[in-house]
Amino acid sequence: EVQLVESGGGLVQPGRSLRLSCAASGFGFGGYAMYWVRQAPGKGLEWVSGIRWNSDTTEYADSVRGRFTISRDNAKNSLYLQMDSLRVEDTALYYCAKTGPSGHYFDYWGQGTLVTVSS
Amino acid sequence: EIVLTQSPGTLSLSSGERVTLSCRATQSVRSSSLAWYQQKPGQAPRLLIYGASSRATGIPDRFSGSGSGTDFTLTISRLEPEDSAVYYCQAYGNSPITFGQGTRLEIK
Repeated sequence: EVQLVESGGGLVQPGRSLRLSCAASGFGFGGYAMYWVRQAPGKGLEWVSGIRWNSDTTEYADSVRGRFTISRDNAKNSLYLQMDSLRVEDTALYYCAKTGPSGHYFDYWGQGTLVTVSS
Repeated sequence: EIVLTQSPGTLSLSSGERVTLSCRATQSVRSSSLAWYQQKPGQAPRLLIYGASSRATGIPDRFSGSGSGTDFTLTISRLEPEDSAVYYCQAYGNSPITFGQGTRLEIK
């Protein structure tokens, strides 16, 4: 059974940092691109960042580029998101998502970890 | 960057009815790389359709997707109470990926 379990969320002040983790199991983690997708309270889905299977390519939404860094450790079946210079507008539920076998759609999602940026 | 516009924004229908949700792109979606998701309150999104028309594992055949280029639709042939949710489309054949703003479906 595929499982994605996010952790690391919490309450943080503007300008501070937070590191999210996603522990994957039940599939060949090293063979798939992975993404972070967020959802602000009461809002829609927003793509944040993606990373290819071998980490050679990373992508970022304009809203987080230069502040967030995505990475992965295939030996540990883990995905990470380092979030620096956090802003109030980064407040959201952050989902870890696995891409499908035939493209960058998302066939499995974690339950999310909540990040709240507030003074 | 492709912008996806979903319509209608909200709708309310009865069980047993048929509904078609629309997703329109500002430019052609490469290789019909369009997915649909269902999200219920307090839950993560669930993949329904990928490749514009392929049903994901375990999705009932009441759900069907169609379209190409810039116009795509999700049809639910016989609504059931559990179909009450927000539905999102996603384009993934072009970079960057992008989501539509969602359509909220209420079952009366």
